[in-house]
Amino acid sequence: GQNIDQPTEMTATEGAIVQINCTYQTSGFNGLFWYQQHAGEAPTFLSYNVLDGLEEKGRFSSFLSRSKGYSYLLLKELQMKDSASYLCAVRWGNAGNMLTFGGGTRLMVKP
Amino acid sequence: NAGVTQTPKFQVLKTGQSMTLQCAQDMNHEYMSWYRQDPGMGLRLIHYSVGAGITDQGEVPNGYNVSRSTTEDFPLRLLSAAPSQTSVYFCASSTRDRSTGELFFGEGSRLTVL
Repeated sequence: GQNIDQPTEMTATEGAIVQINCTYQTSGFNGLFWYQQHAGEAPTFLSYNVLDGLEEKGRFSSFLSRSKGYSYLLLKELQMKDSASYLCAVRWGNAGNMLTFGGGTRLMVKP
Repeated sequence: NAGVTQTPKFQVLKTGQSMTLQCAQDMNHEYMSWYRQDPGMGLRLIHYSVGAGITDQGEVPNGYNVSRSTTEDFPLRLLSAAPSQTSVYFCASSTRDRSTGELFFGEGSRLTVL
């Protein structure tokens, strides 16, 4: 089975840095993903980690520790448009691309 | 660029009715899947397919059927709608290349069952 936990809501200030944590317990771990989802829209891909360490992509970075079952998404220089839900997901299985998603973290960026 | 196209975007059904949510992708992706999203529960996998003619169950398959007769299309059928199937449904596709694993989502289909 898969179990993924992330905070339900977070609030941060424009221009600041925010870290969204994700812990997971899975069988057959095969990569961890972060997606962004604005209200009423489809999720869009942010990052993918399969090995331990930090992946940086512009203002967004994602970290993975497989031994601890832990990941975080770091957002720097927050902008109002970053207000959205951030979904942590784990891929399982050796074929296909099946993801189990956490409940999502709703981030509100304040001026 | 069409990407993943879902129809309809909105649908209201009465309990017991059946319907099909359509999903088509034009990226020649091998993998396709259907998720439902309910408040506070994230996305849950209903069914998936690794290629034409091959489908399998995900986490919450009961009450749904799928088929994959072509690479492009992956319809989801609700056999006898129930209020518990009120949700937003997303179809997604991806390549066989698992080095990135990015899922491309359709815009979603919002279904209400009365």
